[in-house]
Amino acid sequence: DAKTTQPPSMDCAEGRAANLPCNHSTISGNEYVYWYRQIHSQGPQYIIHGLKNNETNEMASLIITEDRKSSTLILPHATLRDTAVYYCIVIFLGNTDKLIFGTGTRLQVFP
Amino acid sequence: DTAVSQTPKYLVTQMGNDKSIKCEQNLGHDTMYWYKQDSKKFLKIMFSYNNKELIINETVPNRFSPKSPDKAHLNLHINSLELGDSAVYFCASSQDSGVYGYTFGSGTRLTVV
Repeated sequence: DAKTTQPPSMDCAEGRAANLPCNHSTISGNEYVYWYRQIHSQGPQYIIHGLKNNETNEMASLIITEDRKSSTLILPHATLRDTAVYYCIVIFLGNTDKLIFGTGTRLQVFP
Repeated sequence: DTAVSQTPKYLVTQMGNDKSIKCEQNLGHDTMYWYKQDSKKFLKIMFSYNNKELIINETVPNRFSPKSPDKAHLNLHINSLELGDSAVYFCASSQDSGVYGYTFGSGTRLTVV
């Protein structure tokens, strides 16, 4: 059970912001939201994680709604190399040694 | 320097054979994992090792046996290979049980014929 719902695919123009949504309506107070991505033929790559505050790092921003039932991963200026499957994962901090991946969103960045 | 390296990258073998996949991490992480990605691209955890001790063993046939000679290595040995074992196997490592994310290897594509 991935406990998250993501659209199966999205498109984004190169240079534009890519906003990837994730619904996690059954999230509990102690569960974090993690984002990973998998570029074709490579292993998954950690992007960012958060609990309730918005987070930003060199790769992306994570916006979590106040009720925490959904979140959005933002790639501010998408490039062709951002084409990948993006996974949103909800997990207890004490269970992070057992990541469960769902089906993810396939993001296609086009020129 | 590759952080998590797996060998071989490709492995083609016949049914019934025994094979091993090796994994090494040079990040000083305390936990290592094996994941399987099937033909439908579902990623599933198989094993998790923390400081050479097995902490997670999901519903994996006992033909699969992880071996961790030290904290930096987690090898996967598979006995009596079956057609259904064909998949991409990913090794990963993390510090503090993955709170700050996992680092994955580039995968081993196993094809059983």
